[in-house]
Amino acid sequence: GAVVSQHPSRVICKSGTSVKIECRSLDFQATTMFWYRQFPKKSLMLMATSNEGSKATYEQGVEKDKFLINHASLTLSTLTVTSAHPEDSSFYICSARDPLHEQYFGPGTRLTVT
Amino acid sequence: KQEVTQIPAALSVPEGENLVLNCSFTDSAIYNLQWFRQDPGKGLTSLLLIQSSQREQTSGRLNASLDKSSGRSTLYIAASQPGDSATYLCAVLNTNAGKSTFGDGTTLTVKP
Repeated sequence: GAVVSQHPSRVICKSGTSVKIECRSLDFQATTMFWYRQFPKKSLMLMATSNEGSKATYEQGVEKDKFLINHASLTLSTLTVTSAHPEDSSFYICSARDPLHEQYFGPGTRLTVT
Repeated sequence: KQEVTQIPAALSVPEGENLVLNCSFTDSAIYNLQWFRQDPGKGLTSLLLIQSSQREQTSGRLNASLDKSSGRSTLYIAASQPGDSATYLCAVLNTNAGKSTFGDGTTLTVKP
């Protein structure tokens, strides 16, 4: 199946700093990418839908100024957690939708804010 | 608003048993339905995708069925193995929505 990469896989940062997570679709062009957050033993929570060349659509309750999303090309979307705080610590997962509307997920990024 | 329910939330079976995981959805105007597997601390792996016009898809020991009119899909796993232990999620993409709706998943444990 198609491959979606995510980098970094794990990051530890200090409170107040910003962290950027990259999501790439390696073998197809993804007009739509998604960013999810997942707490331990909980289901996925959609944060935002990212469309190439346009502003991301954020889910209710997700701060767009806190979680900056840039879908720079058909193969790359980035999520920047700005001024991170310990409550932002979580598992962040991206996914990309291929032209046949099949969704593929990255391996996830474990963010720990100290 | 689409709602997706997966029953049971957890399932434990002995190795070798055949099993069925259930997924139900409230809005039958779907584009496709996708089954995923998630291992602890990992991303999701796509298992099977069923388009709205299809009734089933098969991959190895996995068979997924779709009954749009009743709002149900099942994932059948034959001859289960300990390596099948994971959380299985179904996701429904509506025809009028840009995003999929996920169920909460069924956590499967296959005991050796």
